[in-house]
Amino acid sequence: IVMTQSPDSLAVSLGERAAINCKSSQSLLYNPNNKNYLAWYQHKSGQPPKLLIYWASTRESGVPDRFSGSGSGTDFTLTISSLQAEDVAVYYCQQYYDGSTFGQGTKVEIK
Amino acid sequence: QVQLQESGPRLVKPSQTLSLTCTVSGGSIKSGYFWNWVRQHPGKGLEWIGNIHPSGDTYYNPSLMSRVSMSLDTSKSQVSLKMDSVTAADTADYYCARGGESKSYYIFFDLWGRGTRVTVSS
Repeated sequence: IVMTQSPDSLAVSLGERAAINCKSSQSLLYNPNNKNYLAWYQHKSGQPPKLLIYWASTRESGVPDRFSGSGSGTDFTLTISSLQAEDVAVYYCQQYYDGSTFGQGTKVEIK
Repeated sequence: QVQLQESGPRLVKPSQTLSLTCTVSGGSIKSGYFWNWVRQHPGKGLEWIGNIHPSGDTYYNPSLMSRVSMSLDTSKSQVSLKMDSVTAADTADYYCARGGESKSYYIFFDLWGRGTRVTVSS
């Protein structure tokens, strides 16, 4: 399954909204349990990736509520409702429906 | 809390075998989770290598499975990765990561080690 993120980079003013899109080459929705097998990670330089969202919209414990995930099937979005300085990072989506593949990453910067 | 720490040679010669170890502390390696390896080539995205369960079940990325093997030593709380016949294209940061739900072999990763850079060069 190929994961494609857009845009490749994004510059947003502090306090403004940032949205990252992720498209999969096939549906990630497993109908028997109605779950989308999609996760989002934040990766800061010199640190390991950090899980933000799983099952497309479930926020990991401790993740600020300004981070939210939405979408179903093949189209997903990670939204940061009010960008903070500490949110500067590369963000990846990951499908775990069949094996595991990641998007190419989206770099988020401050405008 | 559970912590993961990767270790192993930082420099490997071409055609040789890359060997890394992930030590799990603060929790049991036999807790039912799959233990994963993920790598990131310099300046590139993330690539899942494969995983192993305490039962011995393994799942590998099809693109790497001919060269990869994983094992688990419960007495040492360690997960090992071996990759044969390495080339410069295997130069990357290698991460150990825990599967986020027990018994699920294809799953998100909720805990990560800090990673270790391995360079393949003569």
